[in-house]
Amino acid sequence: DGGITQSPKYLFRKEGQNVTLSCEQNLNHDAMYWYRQDPGQGLRLIYYSQIVNDFQKGDIAEGYSVSREKKESFPLTVTSAQKNPTAFYLCASSPTGGKGYEQYFGPGTRLTVT
Amino acid sequence: AQRVTQPEKLLSVFKGAPVELKCNYSYSGSPELFWYVQYSRQRLQLLLRHISRESIKGFTADLNKGETSFHLKKPFAQEEDSAMYYCALRAAGNKLTFGGGTRVLVKP
Repeated sequence: DGGITQSPKYLFRKEGQNVTLSCEQNLNHDAMYWYRQDPGQGLRLIYYSQIVNDFQKGDIAEGYSVSREKKESFPLTVTSAQKNPTAFYLCASSPTGGKGYEQYFGPGTRLTVT
Repeated sequence: AQRVTQPEKLLSVFKGAPVELKCNYSYSGSPELFWYVQYSRQRLQLLLRHISRESIKGFTADLNKGETSFHLKKPFAQEEDSAMYYCALRAAGNKLTFGGGTRVLVKP
């Protein structure tokens, strides 16, 4: 089954702990994205990467960090500095250039921090 | 900065009735607008884009630059149209700005 995968589906952490969410794609896409989805607020961009070893902050990057060491992988770390980390996190990938408008989404990870 | 607004959080219609999901945007340049849909237990996926001007699953959307709107319409709603719909704007590069989403519930 090709596409974009996220693991785990559900994640529970104690407050004060860092946690890393996995995102992998085998679509050979250059660009990858992390969004946070909260009820009534839609999707908000956390970080994105257009190419390996490069990434940019999105609209709500504070308290998060990413890396892009491989084309296929774009892990997101939710640090203890993130004030409200409980949310549903979506990863996406897309080609760059003309077809870059179509983002392919993963199934998401629901993170609960208590 | 760009912004996308979907004023309705929930739209409830009967099967066979028309449905219109509103989307307004603010962007100083020439935007590309899209509608994404998330059916129950499925991934978020692209429904249609304004440039293609096509009808997908009976849905159409027209970009109105004067009113800065990109409303999604279907003349006869079906139960399988029940889903979460997001309007999105592409400005620079591949970045998309999403609206808050509208949940559509089609009642039998």
